[in-house]
Amino acid sequence: NAGVTQTPKFQVLKTGQSMTLQCAQDMNHNSMYWYRQDPGMGLRLIYYSASEGTTDKGEVPNGYNVSRLNKREFSLRLESAAPSQTSVYFCASSVGGNTIYFGEGSWLTVV
Amino acid sequence: AQSVTQLGSHVSVSEGALVLLRCNYSSSVPPYLFWYVQYPNQGLQLLLKYTTGATLVKGINGFEAEFKKSETSFHLTKPSAHMSDAAEYFCAVTMDSSYKLIFGSGTRLLVRP
Repeated sequence: NAGVTQTPKFQVLKTGQSMTLQCAQDMNHNSMYWYRQDPGMGLRLIYYSASEGTTDKGEVPNGYNVSRLNKREFSLRLESAAPSQTSVYFCASSVGGNTIYFGEGSWLTVV
Repeated sequence: AQSVTQLGSHVSVSEGALVLLRCNYSSSVPPYLFWYVQYPNQGLQLLLKYTTGATLVKGINGFEAEFKKSETSFHLTKPSAHMSDAAEYFCAVTMDSSYKLIFGSGTRLLVRP
């Protein structure tokens, strides 16, 4: 009963380093999302993928890239990490306009 | 542009008291509305949602919310708070075909013994 699985759960990066957050869902959902959560700001959408093979920018896409590898997997890449990207990142998935299911989060610190 | 406003970043109630968490949205078309709960160091869990039909929606853990179009509101209530309800609550709205969720800034519920 995995749902949405994210890795890694915790990561510390130095400024300028790159990394990829991995996300996989086993619910056969078409749509997948990456959000970031910062204190007092709720969750903000970084990128989303409405279906396999498509990706679109959300509210805060700068500094990030995404890949929808297949229907199950949607990765988020930071090419050159900055302290402003210190945040908690959530992957999510949904089918159509139905409920969006979230992973447990990835805590990223950029020093 | 669609947006969500949650009034009060912190709400404190006594155990057994009424819980009322406020959410207002802006939309030019009928929205889908959601309430999510987040416990410490965990992801978000759906409490309830409104899509169409009955405007009073019942969710898990005794929570309910009422969609009021005239007030553009979707307030979350629970008649009697329990200690286990202490968490952060997020209201969210979506109203376009991509089903992107736009979140409010969250309300942290504190329950006093």
